[in-house]
Amino acid sequence: GENVEQHPSTLSVQEGDSAVIKCTYSDSASNYFPWYKQELGKGPQLIIDIRSNVGEKKDQRIAVTLNKTAKHFSLHITETQPEDSAVYFCAASTNNNDMRFGAGTRLTVKP
Amino acid sequence: NAGVTQTPKFRVLKTGQSMTLLCAQDMNHEYMYWYRQDPGMGLRLIHYSVGEGTTAKGEVPDGYNVSRLKKQNFLLGLESAAPSQTSVYFCASRAGLYQPQHFGDGTRLSIL
Repeated sequence: GENVEQHPSTLSVQEGDSAVIKCTYSDSASNYFPWYKQELGKGPQLIIDIRSNVGEKKDQRIAVTLNKTAKHFSLHITETQPEDSAVYFCAASTNNNDMRFGAGTRLTVKP
Repeated sequence: NAGVTQTPKFRVLKTGQSMTLLCAQDMNHEYMYWYRQDPGMGLRLIHYSVGEGTTAKGEVPDGYNVSRLKKQNFLLGLESAAPSQTSVYFCASRAGLYQPQHFGDGTRLSIL
């Protein structure tokens, strides 16, 4: 089955800097890649997703890139703010019913 | 809209006890999922359902059973709780293929 690895496990940046989180996947048939943000005591919330027919997608300060050949995708957050502090999860899915998640990255944005 | 609601929010069980976790969604979604979240391991799929009356196994189904008798509800049962099932359980639902999953706020379960 699919295996998703996520790096780094923790990331600390200064407010205003950029943050990058990287994930690799093993199943070349994976075709849907969502990113979730999880705040303390809450469930994960989708922040951006990308399908395999697209190489990059942006939504304001958030962007995701996908390299199908290398089987990796990345989350980019620009102009980070303290409220961006949370745990971020990447995921990969072939048929979207067996979605595999990365282990998570705890992002801390220092004011 | 309440979205996805999980009950209870917290529960402590003794080894061997049984219990049922309830997930309810008010978005008329076809697909529903149960995950467990453990430190350093992300979310792992336990069981899922692609519609009323259907269920299927996920990545870690052993020790759990599910039922989807009504479209809006997805129940997760532990027949004989074990300490290894101590975890935070999340329910999610989605409308269709390539649609985002909407998560509840979780049930924190401790088994002594």
